[in-house]
Amino acid sequence: GAVVSQHPSRVICKSGTSVKIECRSLDFQATTMFWYRQFPKQSLMLMATSNEGSKATYEQGVEKDKFLINHASLTLSTLTVTSAHPEDSSFYICSARDQLADSGANVLTFGAGSRLTVL
Amino acid sequence: EDKVVQSPLSLVVHEGDTVTLNCSYEVTNFRSLLWYKQEKKAPTFLFMLTSSGIEKKSGRLSSILDKKELFSILNITATQTGDSAVYLCAGSGGGSNYKLTFGKGTLLTMNP
Repeated sequence: GAVVSQHPSRVICKSGTSVKIECRSLDFQATTMFWYRQFPKQSLMLMATSNEGSKATYEQGVEKDKFLINHASLTLSTLTVTSAHPEDSSFYICSARDQLADSGANVLTFGAGSRLTVL
Repeated sequence: EDKVVQSPLSLVVHEGDTVTLNCSYEVTNFRSLLWYKQEKKAPTFLFMLTSSGIEKKSGRLSSILDKKELFSILNITATQTGDSAVYLCAGSGGGSNYKLTFGKGTLLTMNP
């Protein structure tokens, strides 16, 4: 089945630094990937839709200059948290859809997530 | 704003019990309702429901959608230790099958 790899799984950084998280579709091509954020005991909140070869679409309230998304190839999207602060500490999860999958298997595959802790 | 509400938020049951998890939704241009199981990390797909009244089953799990009442339930029969997880309900809409709005989830804990 479709596999999405996310790296790193855990990162700790100092306040003010930038952190990059990678999301790769391992055995399929994904023109679209999605980035979510999850706070403890809260739901997954969609941050942005990453489109291969074009600009990401951000959800309302998400700062695009703060959370830079690049989708340079059909198998890789990256999320960079710029000038991270403690309030950015969260669990970030990406998901992707196999664009060749038929509608019966029309679901997203999630990465294992990246836990960011900003000190 | 799209909204998905799950209840209960947490549940403790004994092995062998049957549980019903609830999900109500308000999603613009609704396309489908999805259930995921999340055990510490990545959510794993359980069901996708697009039509009202048609039950989907997978082993001890089953789910059904009521598009008139904007509601779905997930049933788990003969619960086992491995069923302990957060069960997430999500609605897709906005003209896309993939733009998901998630509920807060139901934490199911098995009491041995």
